[in-house]
Amino acid sequence: KQEVTQIPAALSVPEGENLVLNCSFTDSAIYNLQWFRQDPGKGLTSLLLIQSSQREQTSGRLNASLDKSSGRSTLYIAASQPGDSATYLCAVKSSTLGRLYFGRGTQLTVWP
Amino acid sequence: DTEVTQTPKHLVMGMTNKKSLKCEQHMGHRAMYWYKQKAKKPPELMFVYSYEKLSINESVPSRFSPECPNSSLLNLHLHALQPEDSALYLCASSQPLSNVEAFFGQGTRLTVV
Repeated sequence: KQEVTQIPAALSVPEGENLVLNCSFTDSAIYNLQWFRQDPGKGLTSLLLIQSSQREQTSGRLNASLDKSSGRSTLYIAASQPGDSATYLCAVKSSTLGRLYFGRGTQLTVWP
Repeated sequence: DTEVTQTPKHLVMGMTNKKSLKCEQHMGHRAMYWYKQKAKKPPELMFVYSYEKLSINESVPSRFSPECPNSSLLNLHLHALQPEDSALYLCASSQPLSNVEAFFGQGTRLTVV
């Protein structure tokens, strides 16, 4: 069974810092990996999608990498802002069942 | 249009009530999902529909009854719920067994009293 782990569980940083969030998964049989953002009590907003054949995706201040063979992904946030405060979830889409497997998330707080 | 719409946004129901949650998407996706999320936990998969047929049921109690009347709509019928069923219920859509991105709705905050 696919297991997804996110480190750290929580992160508190001052504004302006560059951040790295980590995600690892145990089964490399995936279609893709998605990074989501979730604000308290809200739904999930898709930030970046990396296909299994890709190594990297960028959107604005966000950059995500994928190393499928080692089962690892990182989300890099440049020049963090208080508005980035949220929970960040990593999910892999299984190529055997087509379902998403989620990590437990990293709760990020960026203070002014 | 990459929107998944869930109604209602909030629902309070008694343990003897019957209610339904609704989810709609118009992206042509043929896979739709129900997730349950408790506070400070990741979403837990409940059901998956592929091509309007139930393909995954994660051993969910029968007081939760899913329905997919057509390729754009997904319902979750609720009956005789328990207070521990209070949670955020999330709907998502994608394409079955493909690398298409998944999109989530904003959820229904359910409180069972």
